[in-house]
Amino acid sequence: AQSVSQHNHHVILSEAASLELGCNYSYGGTVNLFWYVQYPGQHLQLLLKYFSGDPLVKGIKGFEAEFIKSKFSFNLRKPSVQWSDTAEYFCAVNPTSGTYKYIFGTGTRLKVLA
Amino acid sequence: DVKVTQSSRYLVKRTGEKVFLECVQDMDHENMFWYRQDPGLGLRLIYFSYDVKMKEKGDIPEGYSVSREKKERFSLILESASTNQTSMYLCASSFPKGREEGYTFGSGTRLTVV
Repeated sequence: AQSVSQHNHHVILSEAASLELGCNYSYGGTVNLFWYVQYPGQHLQLLLKYFSGDPLVKGIKGFEAEFIKSKFSFNLRKPSVQWSDTAEYFCAVNPTSGTYKYIFGTGTRLKVLA
Repeated sequence: DVKVTQSSRYLVKRTGEKVFLECVQDMDHENMFWYRQDPGLGLRLIYFSYDVKMKEKGDIPEGYSVSREKKERFSLILESASTNQTSMYLCASSFPKGREEGYTFGSGTRLTVV
């Protein structure tokens, strides 16, 4: 069955530290890839997406992600985190063939200490 | 701004009650989705709809049904609420494949069944 793994469930960083959140998926075909963020008390928002082309994609608020097809990975990065990045981050995969539904990872809770 | 509006932010219902959760989107999206979000389990798809009067089961449809009589509205129905349906319910919408830009989520309904 198709699945998405986010291995880091909880991450605690100090401000200005670099961030990398892992996302791996199991699906052999072509996929669209997404990272969503949920700030405390707010709705899920799209952070960035990859459909095709340059495997390094840039999103809002200084986030970027790199699609490595050979590793089935789409890791999220930010060079220097801020306290306001405290949130839960979800990776999602949508196979380009088949249904419309996205498969979400279980999420990573990031806490940034001021 | 794209809006997905869920009718209630918080609901408390009694075991055995029939519960209706409403979702309305104003972006003319064809696809609509109901997820439930539980700590440590991420987002799990309950039902989705890719057109008016069309619906498909997601990964955890048991105990739920849906209705889509109009394009902009997608209702989730708990036929007989049980305590294990206490959860955060998220509605989302999107354009179909070939036009999609990612899901847009509502703010969620936190349902407590007592």
